[in-house]
Amino acid sequence: QVQLQESGPGLVKPSETLSLTCTVSGGSISSYYWSWIRQPAGKGLEWIGRIYTSGSTNYNPSLKSRVTMSVDTSKNQFSLKLSSVTAADTAVYYCARIFYRAFDIWGQGTMVTVSS
Amino acid sequence: QSALTQPASVSGSPGQSITISCTGTSSDVGGYNYVSWYQQHPGKAPKLMIYDVSNRPSGVSNRFSGSKSGNTASLTISGLQAEDEADYYCSSYTSSSSLFGTGTKVTVL
Repeated sequence: QVQLQESGPGLVKPSETLSLTCTVSGGSISSYYWSWIRQPAGKGLEWIGRIYTSGSTNYNPSLKSRVTMSVDTSKNQFSLKLSSVTAADTAVYYCARIFYRAFDIWGQGTMVTVSS
Repeated sequence: QSALTQPASVSGSPGQSITISCTGTSSDVGGYNYVSWYQQHPGKAPKLMIYDVSNRPSGVSNRFSGSKSGNTASLTISGLQAEDEADYYCSSYTSSSSLFGTGTKVTVL
């Protein structure tokens, strides 16, 4: 079955760019929307954005100026870049597949801490 | 873009039924039949329980059901079991964005 795995640095310095990749295994990345979602410790889920395999994107308006998503169909991967990070961006970051307008498959999540 | 409003906590005894509400606006919950619900146990990734307001993915117990009226969606858990104790989130999908609810902690007494 399809599985997702997030990867990237667990520690990012303030003002730098957070970069994460989600690798899709057990199925093709094509013809689906894919999303990034984050969750600060002890808090709720926050939608970051979504990307279609054509490269078309939608971002959370509150993060739009700092977010860039991309997709590499040859590697079955999609990626997130979040620029100018602060401590408020410290969270568990999840990647997820969108199917029937819902997030049906999730990665296990990766903790990213913003600290000098 | 404000989070959808859910009660912070709901509790019930084993075997009882509970309902969690999710209130949005006519621009999200009320405007689309694309409400989904997620169950999250501590330290785990969320799990899809309901999609498109009232549809259950394969493998999800039929004790979970969803509905919607106006700008408010609801998740009902019937025959409450100890394993249902978790956090629950609603989500609304629109043509340009998605939005999550504030989350509800379900406690089985």
